[in-house]
Amino acid sequence: EVQLLESGGGLVQPGGSLRLSCAASGFSFKSYAMSWVRQAPGKGLEWVSAVSGSGGSTHYADSVKGRFTISRDSSKNTLYLQMNSLRAEDTAVYYCAKANKWELVGGYYFDYWGQGTLVTVSS
Amino acid sequence: EIVLTQSPGTLSLSPGGSATLSCRASQTISSSYLAWYQQKPGQAPRLLIYGASIRATGIPDRFNGSGSGTDFTLTINRLEPEDFAVYYCQQYGSSPLTFGQGTKVEFK
Repeated sequence: EVQLLESGGGLVQPGGSLRLSCAASGFSFKSYAMSWVRQAPGKGLEWVSAVSGSGGSTHYADSVKGRFTISRDSSKNTLYLQMNSLRAEDTAVYYCAKANKWELVGGYYFDYWGQGTLVTVSS
Repeated sequence: EIVLTQSPGTLSLSPGGSATLSCRASQTISSSYLAWYQQKPGQAPRLLIYGASIRATGIPDRFNGSGSGTDFTLTINRLEPEDFAVYYCQQYGSSPLTFGQGTKVEFK
């Protein structure tokens, strides 16, 4: 059974930093691209970032480019999102999602999602 | 960036009825790279449909996806109580990936 368990969310002041983690199990982690998708309170879904199965290719939404860094550690079956220079508009539940393929080229959808971790940016 | 517009915003229906949800894209979505997700309150999204019309593993056949180009539809037949939720479409044919704003299917 595929399981994705996010952690690391919490309350942070504007301009601060936070690192999210997603522990994966139940599938060959290194064989699939992974992504972060967020959902602001009462709002819809917004794709944030993705990393290929090898970790060698990364994509970012314009809204987080230069501030967020996605990475993965296949020895620990864990996905990360380092978030710097946080803004109020980054407040959201952050979901870890498994892509349907190894590479980012050619598009991908999400066949499994974690339960999410809440990030609140406020003073 | 491809903008996805879902309609209607809310559908008020009764169990046993049928729901027709629309997802319209601002540009042609290549290779029918469109997915549908279901999200219930306090839960993560769940994949229903990919490739515009292919049901994901374990999805009942009352869920049907159709369409191509810029117009896509999710039809839910014989609505069950557990089908009342918010539904999102997502395109993955063009970068960046984008989602529609969602359609809520609620009890009438």
